[in-house]
Amino acid sequence: DMKVTQMPRYLIKRMGENVLLECGQDMSHETMYWYRQDPGLGLQLIYISYDVDSNSEGDIPKGYRVSRKKREHFSLILDSAKTNQTSVYFCASKGEGTEVFFGKGTRLTVV
Amino acid sequence: KTQVEQSPQSLVVRQGENCVLQCNYSVTPDNHLRWFKQDTGKGLVSLTVLVDQKDKTSNGRYSATLDKDAKHSTLHITATLLDDTATYICVVGDRGSALGRLHFGAGTQLIVIP
Repeated sequence: DMKVTQMPRYLIKRMGENVLLECGQDMSHETMYWYRQDPGLGLQLIYISYDVDSNSEGDIPKGYRVSRKKREHFSLILDSAKTNQTSVYFCASKGEGTEVFFGKGTRLTVV
Repeated sequence: KTQVEQSPQSLVVRQGENCVLQCNYSVTPDNHLRWFKQDTGKGLVSLTVLVDQKDKTSNGRYSATLDKDAKHSTLHITATLLDDTATYICVVGDRGSALGRLHFGAGTQLIVIP
């Protein structure tokens, strides 16, 4: 069963707290992504990972970092969360060809 | 600069009517284009993918076209149902490999009313 799993699904944090968003995939895909989705905008790319410990900045990496120590897991970390990081975060996994799979998203609210 | 533009931004149709959603893009190279459906508060579900220079696909009540020369795609929904209420997102992939990046439109919000 091809699946991308995100945890948690909902999260409320105070400004300045650290945040860990986790993503897993069961397809042994090399490439994984973290996006954020805000109203009226397309998904914006935060980071790409091409494999274990092979990560590249996307279009809006400021305020975020990532960790990929196993091919099946890709984590997004916010050190000292800010209110403008309130958003819905999506993880995706891509194999060869055109196929791409998305998780169900994590709704993060920073208060 | 936005590289994938979708129109209309929102659309209201009556159940049973047909509708057409548009996607124009400037992404280069344009290896493939995929349409997703996103229900409110949910993830993205793939509807169809178009690959060829001039391509057409059909998936039940959903059909799509792609013209790479015009950098334009359409998504047709036939005989809409209330469950078609969702945001439809056009995504252009610049490579057909694991190294590719995806370029997202902001989506068309479709509302189907009884």
